[in-house]
Amino acid sequence: GNSVTQMEGPVTLSEEAFLTINCTYTATGYPSLFWYVQYPGEGLQLLLKATKADDKGSNKGFEATYRKETTSFHLEKGSVQVSDSAVYFCALSDDDYKLSFGAGTTVTVRA
Amino acid sequence: DTAVSQTPKYLVTQMGNDKSIKCEQNLGHDTMYWYKQDSKKFLKIMFSYNNKELIINETVPNRFSPKSPDKAHLNLHINSLELGDSAVYFCASSQVFSSSPDTQYFGPGTRLTVL
Repeated sequence: GNSVTQMEGPVTLSEEAFLTINCTYTATGYPSLFWYVQYPGEGLQLLLKATKADDKGSNKGFEATYRKETTSFHLEKGSVQVSDSAVYFCALSDDDYKLSFGAGTTVTVRA
Repeated sequence: DTAVSQTPKYLVTQMGNDKSIKCEQNLGHDTMYWYKQDSKKFLKIMFSYNNKELIINETVPNRFSPKSPDKAHLNLHINSLELGDSAVYFCASSQVFSSSPDTQYFGPGTRLTVL
């Protein structure tokens, strides 16, 4: 079956630091890959996505590249802000459009 | 305009009660979902409906019964509530027959607390 493994948190950073959250996946087909973000007290929002190998998703300074050879989709941001404090979820969607989520990584950015 | 809305936002109830959570989307999507998020933030699909028909039913106790009166609504009814049902429940929707069939839009969540 499909599964997603992402690095455990929590992660605490200072403003302007570099952020990386690792994500690897197992899938039977050729899934689409996503990063969703959940700000405190809110629902999930799509941050970025990639639908095929070597695609790069990007949004709000965040980037992730679909690496089929390493089955990875690591999230990066070069300079984080306090407003980036949230829980980040890596997810995949296969032919049935069901999202399989990783466990979530809590990121706290301190001023 | 709220794209995916859920009511209520908070629900506190006693064990053994029956309760419902409502979800509505105004995006014109044809597929809706219910997810459960536990206390450790882990998210898992429960159900999915496409055009009012059930298409995904994960291993969820039959105390949970989704109902979709029309494409824009997917309600979740829970009978005989148990302590372990305490969680945040998220509704989501997507347009399967589109250029981005797998992008899902989430509601704000309903925090259910069973005492």
